[in-house]
Amino acid sequence: DVKVTQSSRYLVKRTGEKVFLECVQDMDHENMFWYRQDPGLGLRLIYFSYDVKMKEKGDIPEGYSVSREKKERFSLILESASTNQTSMYLCASSTSGRLSGANVLTFGAGSRLTVL
Amino acid sequence: RKEVEQDPGPFNVPEGATVAFNCTYSNSASQSFFWYRQDCRKEPKLLMSVYSSGNEDGRFTAQLNRASQYISLLIRDSKLSDSATYLCVVNRVIFGKGTRLHILP
Repeated sequence: DVKVTQSSRYLVKRTGEKVFLECVQDMDHENMFWYRQDPGLGLRLIYFSYDVKMKEKGDIPEGYSVSREKKERFSLILESASTNQTSMYLCASSTSGRLSGANVLTFGAGSRLTVL
Repeated sequence: RKEVEQDPGPFNVPEGATVAFNCTYSNSASQSFFWYRQDCRKEPKLLMSVYSSGNEDGRFTAQLNRASQYISLLIRDSKLSDSATYLCVVNRVIFGKGTRLHILP
């Protein structure tokens, strides 16, 4: 089974701190994604990547950056955390192509970030 | 108009009943459609893909109506374990906000 692992389940940070959220997948997937999920707003795409060193903005990239130096790892960075970035962050990966299972997102368990 | 819209519910349905909900999408060029299920405090997981001709997986049936730009999910003989939030996904990555389903004993 594809496994997507997020390094921290719960984090508490202070306003202005730099925050790193790490995500690793073990199935050689080309595509990786970062979402945040908030009550009433659903899942919103922050950034995604279709290849190593490649990144694309999603719907809400402001205040975030990403890094993909290796195929299996996709990091989300909050340069200066703010209280409105308190949320559940979900990483996902998928493979491309036409085979069965392609383009299906497999999610990590999530990282709940609280910014005080 | 939002890109992907779902009735948030909750749908409160007695065990054994049939329940259906829809998801509308705004981009007529959308190509891929999925239903995911999310249990409380868990990550979303794929329930089923939605194919143009409609498809069935056990008690679950998914259909696509391109003319009216919506997909549907039908659950027959509902079980207590079907209680969850059902998320539709369009073009692989665009999620609706989800429909909450509560199956009542």
